[in-house]
Amino acid sequence: ELVLTQSPATLSLSPGDSANLSCRASQTLRGKFVAWYQQRPGRAPRLLTYGASNRATGVADRFTSGGTGTDFSLTISRLEPEDFAVYYCQHFDSELGTFGQGTKVDMK
Amino acid sequence: EVDLLESGGDLVQPGGSLRLSCAASGFVFERYALSWVRQAPGKGLEWVSSIRAGGMVTLYGDSVRGRFTVSRDNSRNTLYLQMNNLRAEDAAMYYCVKELWTYCGDDCYSISFDSWGPGTLVSVSS
Repeated sequence: ELVLTQSPATLSLSPGDSANLSCRASQTLRGKFVAWYQQRPGRAPRLLTYGASNRATGVADRFTSGGTGTDFSLTISRLEPEDFAVYYCQHFDSELGTFGQGTKVDMK
Repeated sequence: EVDLLESGGDLVQPGGSLRLSCAASGFVFERYALSWVRQAPGKGLEWVSSIRAGGMVTLYGDSVRGRFTVSRDNSRNTLYLQMNNLRAEDAAMYYCVKELWTYCGDDCYSISFDSWGPGTLVSVSS
């Protein structure tokens, strides 16, 4: 069974900083890539990136994803106030969907 | 614009049943796979179930397999989740999501969730 482990659990940063989030898979991904989501308090998650570093519609270019194999990352450059939220990685092979446990980016 | 709207969430006793619905618009419903994702209060996201475009292939997470049934009515642009034998740990916000399949090579698809409804809340308590 695939497990996605995100680190760190919490990242305390200031506006204008860069955030580096990690997602490690317990096995090489059949679908090759993870997707990343942002969830603000009281809101549904929204897709940020998918496939090989594609940004979803309307997502700012300060969000960049990467990685292959078992190690994946999401980088948020120049944090804006609205970027302080929880971020999840996700993978779906042919049979099962899996989410990481989330990384909370909060304001220092 | 894609719009997904869940309904049917309620307070139910342990062992009870509930049917969730998701009304969809803004895309060609019959062409897309759909999923249910849930989130317990204060917890992370958990994928629950998926149904392919034609409705013939359904998938379930281990925690709900045998108790939940996903279905769709392509003539009504509606997705359903029948939940039976509900447990306290099923209490959560349930989101209806549209799947995005991205080709990544020979027999390889990367599947993500590109549209989400606002969710419907299921509470399980006596």
